[in-house]
Amino acid sequence: GAGVSQSPRYKVAKRGQDVALRCDPISGHVSLFWYQQALGQGPEFLTYFQNEAQLDKSGLPSDRFFAERPEGSVSTLKIQRTQQEDSAVYLCASSVRDKSGYNEQFFGPGTRLTVL
Amino acid sequence: AQSVAQPEDQVNVAEGNPLTVKCTYSVSGNPYLFWYVQYPNRGLQFLLKYITGDNLVKGSYGFEAEFNKSQTSFHLKKPSALVSDSALYFCAVRIGSARQLTFGSGTQLTVLP
Repeated sequence: GAGVSQSPRYKVAKRGQDVALRCDPISGHVSLFWYQQALGQGPEFLTYFQNEAQLDKSGLPSDRFFAERPEGSVSTLKIQRTQQEDSAVYLCASSVRDKSGYNEQFFGPGTRLTVL
Repeated sequence: AQSVAQPEDQVNVAEGNPLTVKCTYSVSGNPYLFWYVQYPNRGLQFLLKYITGDNLVKGSYGFEAEFNKSQTSFHLKKPSALVSDSALYFCAVRIGSARQLTFGSGTQLTVLP
């Protein structure tokens, strides 16, 4: 079946603009994660959903970052008033219901955000 | 702080030679360890994981990793490298009750023909 998809693949925003990044997880995957990957670094956790519930948002760097998953499938990461330091690749990952943490996460191709 | 470390930013190996990409962890309790590979402009692809059981874990594309509790390491290995193995490799760990992964800084593997 289809993997995790993300759109747009590339986004250029002027400083101060709002952006919305979309993630379509693998069908039936209950868990959904957002990560931020700066150039030359490993991904860093932003937030986690189980179905429509946002269970952990401890990695969101500021209140300009907001994520939702209203129907428990597609998720949107919104960044308000973008700043240059927000430039990064934003990765979405999904996994099956995972009480134990054993299950691997499947990653999308990412959205590369460039803030000018 | 609980984390994983990849001590080498870059590893070069000749095609056909064995390869090792190093990872060490610092986690209290039992670690859940993962290896992912990232090709340019693509997302991370899962290679293998260690949860419990045998210390030698076999994964995709001929890769394997050895969990060593005394050395707190989880090195990725392959007996014979291919040019197509050239990519960025990430070690990751699940810490405590958190569901997310904590990643190392990555190791760029280059296999020379």
